[in-house]
Amino acid sequence: DTGVSQDPRHKITKRGQNVTFRCDPISEHNRLYWYRQTLGQGPEFLTYFQNEAQLEKSRLLSDRFSAERPKGSFSTLEIQRTEQGDSAMYLCASSPGGGQPQHFGDGTRLSIL
Amino acid sequence: GNSVTQMEGPVTLSEEAFLTINCTYTATGYPSLFWYVQYPGEGLQLLLKATKADDKGSNKGFEATYRKETTSFHLEKGSVQVSDSAVYFCALSLTQGGSEKLVFGKGTKLTVNP
Repeated sequence: DTGVSQDPRHKITKRGQNVTFRCDPISEHNRLYWYRQTLGQGPEFLTYFQNEAQLEKSRLLSDRFSAERPKGSFSTLEIQRTEQGDSAMYLCASSPGGGQPQHFGDGTRLSIL
Repeated sequence: GNSVTQMEGPVTLSEEAFLTINCTYTATGYPSLFWYVQYPGEGLQLLLKATKADDKGSNKGFEATYRKETTSFHLEKGSVQVSDSAVYFCALSLTQGGSEKLVFGKGTKLTVNP
């Protein structure tokens, strides 16, 4: 049973650079979520896909952030012109919906120099 | 709006001690409630859940009961082990249609000493 996988595990970049993260959900899950977790805080919702459709975005998701889920399988989260405040753990989760729990990946830790 | 308030940490216990981590919530509808656990350097793992009032979730010796009258979902374990050291998150989700996104508390760090 393969769980949710995220790549890379760690990303260090300079301020102003663009970064892209990938999430591969559990294969039979049609729902995919992105969350952001800063140090000492709980995860905060960023965006949600049902199959390939992005159905909800948080106000936290500024216009420098974009997420896609082509073909309803893997998803990418891109951050353009990174800022110090973008340093965080980015978590991906998937679920089959219908009230079933979300399963999380191990996250991508982003550090901005 | 929807929110979760958790007991501030950190919590430090000796092995075999009793654990309680308090969690209360505010929700516009009838949420499902969850406890997730996060070990260092890892993502979140579901520990237990409850989907309606008076449900009790349980797993690995941990328990929590959905109390609608007090809007609470306190986590308990009768005898903690060193391996239970982790950060625990209480969360809610509104499952009546929509995204079912999770709203988390800030987390409570538990350290269990031998």
